[in-house]
Amino acid sequence: SQTIHQWPATLVQPVGSPLSLECTVEGTSNPNLYWYRQAAGRGLQLLFYSVGIGQISSEVPQNLSASRPQDRQFILSSKKLLLSDSGFYLCAWSVPGGADNEQFFGPGTRLTVL
Amino acid sequence: AQSVSQHNHHVILSEAASLELGCNYSYGGTVNLFWYVQYPGQHLQLLLKYFSGDPLVKGIKGFEAEFIKSKFSFNLRKPSVQWSDTAEYFCAVNAIHDMRFGAGTRLTVKP
Repeated sequence: SQTIHQWPATLVQPVGSPLSLECTVEGTSNPNLYWYRQAAGRGLQLLFYSVGIGQISSEVPQNLSASRPQDRQFILSSKKLLLSDSGFYLCAWSVPGGADNEQFFGPGTRLTVL
Repeated sequence: AQSVSQHNHHVILSEAASLELGCNYSYGGTVNLFWYVQYPGQHLQLLLKYFSGDPLVKGIKGFEAEFIKSKFSFNLRKPSVQWSDTAEYFCAVNAIHDMRFGAGTRLTVKP
């Protein structure tokens, strides 16, 4: 069966510091991968998605970036964190070419920028 | 661009009460519709989904939702809620990679 992992689970970082959040998927090949941010009372906002290694689409311009160095690995990064980057970050995957485009979510990383 | 509106931010019910959470979306093309639930301290998980066929969709734990194309709605219902249904509920609309979520509705069920 497929599983999705995210780490760290929680992170507290100072403003201006770099960020690296990791997501890995097991049990499937060539998944579509997604990064979301969940802010209180604002639902989930799609940040990036990827349909293959090295292929990244950005939905919202900001100081975050994403990379997909391996088929089942998706990384969210920042060179300099802002206070507004605080939030709950979710990684998700879906079956490529899936008929219903259902997405499966990881446990999330809670990021607090001080 | 597509968008999703959830009408209620916080709903408080007593056990055995009936539930209906509203969801409206705006998108001109073919979409897939989802309700996800996030129980306290747990992953976001799928409650039910619609992508074709019968517009009345049944999901896990006694939930159902009805897709009304003319109203661009996909409301979630449950005839009798339980304390364990306390969670946050998200409606989502997906056209290929473009998954859009509503702001969520927090449901609190009093025992």
